[in-house]
Amino acid sequence: DTAVSQTPKYLVTQMGNDKSIKCEQNLGHDTMYWYKQDSKKFLKIMFSYNNKELIINETVPNRFSPKSPDKAHLNLHINSLELGDSAVYFCASSLLPQSDTYEQYFGPGTRLTVT
Amino acid sequence: SQQGEEDPQALSIQEGENATMNCSYKTSINNLQWYRQNSGRGLVHLILIRSNEREKHSGRLRVTLDTSKKSSSLLITASRAADTASYFCAPPNTGFQKLVFGTGTRLLVSP
Repeated sequence: DTAVSQTPKYLVTQMGNDKSIKCEQNLGHDTMYWYKQDSKKFLKIMFSYNNKELIINETVPNRFSPKSPDKAHLNLHINSLELGDSAVYFCASSLLPQSDTYEQYFGPGTRLTVT
Repeated sequence: SQQGEEDPQALSIQEGENATMNCSYKTSINNLQWYRQNSGRGLVHLILIRSNEREKHSGRLRVTLDTSKKSSSLLITASRAADTASYFCAPPNTGFQKLVFGTGTRLLVSP
């Protein structure tokens, strides 16, 4: 059983297009995250949602909009794609990090290539 | 926000040897996590060590934490080719709410 799944695994698109990446977790976790990993393997957090509510919003262009229809899903929509958006995007989930830090479970990643 | 900084950036060893990688961080923490990332995959949690623990073991992994030096180390004993991966440390930030990863240590274990 896949704990954290993402679709699609690969996404190739042209500049200016709008695309979405979907994420689902079946672990019963309250909190979900989106990370971006660039070509130098630097993994940077973008957003964090707890039970459909945004709790972390790093300095990310507003072309990126996360949407959480329920606590098991966190989708990432990207408008007007740019070359610099090319990266691997990872979704993750964990218990709510309120009084402690918990391990995060990562999805397999979505490799986005903007041409 | 602080991130863990791993050292060395790359490490190449033979199967059977031990691999040690280090992590430094800037501000006080109450725990620190280590993750592994195989090529083309998501990160996998390895171990969490708390500030009141100096050392923790999990199978062939040994993690130490020195809060006075703000550093941690991950030792993999009797390494195998399957240990080839990038290893990241992640101190918590913003009151536990997020982890900030560095660029990791790329470990290559040759048969």
